[in-house]
Amino acid sequence: DTEVTQTPKHLVMGMTNKKSLKCEQHMGHRAMYWYKQKAKKPPELMFVYSYEKLSINESVPSRFSPECPNSSLLNLHLHALQPEDSALYLCASSQGNMGHYEQYFGPGTRLTVT
Amino acid sequence: QKEVEQDPGPLSVPEGAIVSLNCTYSNSAFQYFMWYRQYSRKGPELLMYTYSSGNKEDGRFTAQVDKSSKYISLFIRDSQPSDSATYLCAIDPSGAGSYQLTFGKGTKLSVIP
Repeated sequence: DTEVTQTPKHLVMGMTNKKSLKCEQHMGHRAMYWYKQKAKKPPELMFVYSYEKLSINESVPSRFSPECPNSSLLNLHLHALQPEDSALYLCASSQGNMGHYEQYFGPGTRLTVT
Repeated sequence: QKEVEQDPGPLSVPEGAIVSLNCTYSNSAFQYFMWYRQYSRKGPELLMYTYSSGNKEDGRFTAQVDKSSKYISLFIRDSQPSDSATYLCAIDPSGAGSYQLTFGKGTKLSVIP
């Protein structure tokens, strides 16, 4: 199974809402990532978890809060977002010790903030 | 200077053509070079990666790294309509095998039947 799943596929939320994005993989990967992708732009790294510990936080605003409950799951909690946060949010995973360049991406959650 | 530069295109070719996609990078210390393909409304998928320099071939796809000119290329032979997608080059900016990838802007390719 080389699949990364993400839920929901689409999400519309108001600026005062709280919502969560979920990501799951069963490849035994120990590194998991959140990326943000705007239209016609490349993915931008937000967070990296390595062995369930946050190892990279790319100066992301605190209205985005990641969580890694276990090695297969990754969540992104959203609160008080702005319209400019509307984007495709991609989850990815890779082997922990090596092969980080071989990242498996999920289909993404398309987020619209109204 | 950006770490990796890629012409966003778009690029339109007839079916069966040879496609050449290119990126330039800024730092000679970079070691890992990747090509990802992204179909519309999908996540990127890794096509190929090369470590250091040289060529790597996989079916109709060939990845090439020229470290002397800091140039990376992806060639697609006998292009098919199913190759229509955005192609993203990516590098590991740390040069030491970190978790971070820096992507190029992506080149949108259309293969016309």
